[in-house]
Amino acid sequence: SQQGEEDPQALSIQEGENATMNCSYKTSINNLQWYRQNSGRGLVHLILIRSNEREKHSGRLRVTLDTSKKSSSLLITASRAADTASYFCATDEAGNKLVFGAGTILRVKS
Amino acid sequence: NAGVTQTPKFRVLKTGQSMTLLCAQDMNHEYMYWYRQDPGMGLRLIHYSVGEGTTAKGEVPDGYNVSRLKKQNFLLGLESAAPSQTSVYFCASSYSISEQYFGPGTRLTVT
Repeated sequence: SQQGEEDPQALSIQEGENATMNCSYKTSINNLQWYRQNSGRGLVHLILIRSNEREKHSGRLRVTLDTSKKSSSLLITASRAADTASYFCATDEAGNKLVFGAGTILRVKS
Repeated sequence: NAGVTQTPKFRVLKTGQSMTLLCAQDMNHEYMYWYRQDPGMGLRLIHYSVGEGTTAKGEVPDGYNVSRLKKQNFLLGLESAAPSQTSVYFCASSYSISEQYFGPGTRLTVT
């Protein structure tokens, strides 16, 4: 079953614009993570936010978490062509597993 | 450090053939995972391991078996390949239920 569901499925923006992706989930979590996947490559971890945190920053990335709405957002500021990739959220279930959403495909046009 | 490596990178099998995918990590991680990724489906967990000698089923375990005889290696076996197993397979490892490190993937085609 898909725990995290990303929205939108695809996003196309101009270089320099901000990109916002959203993730919704269904059950209680301990943490939520965001990963990036470049075409044909493995996933790379971007950021982890714990359930008791509301916002976290890492460079041009800003992640928010609203546990009351069971949702998270990933904001990439001042996007670059190199940010073109698929972005996935992942949530932890009871036990030792992560469950990934279907992802948002981001295209940044130069 | 090589991180997480996967062997082979590509493979074509005929229906009914068997094969083993090898995942190796040099980060001394306890947890290892096998996922499959199909277009538009995200990653689905096949099997995972929380330590040497242990394995557990994930979301889509049917048709696959795994073994974790050594801490650094996690093997995924297909005993009788089916076209539905055509996919990209990713291995990942982590210290715990936290940041996972992924391998480059294995593209498997079953004809």
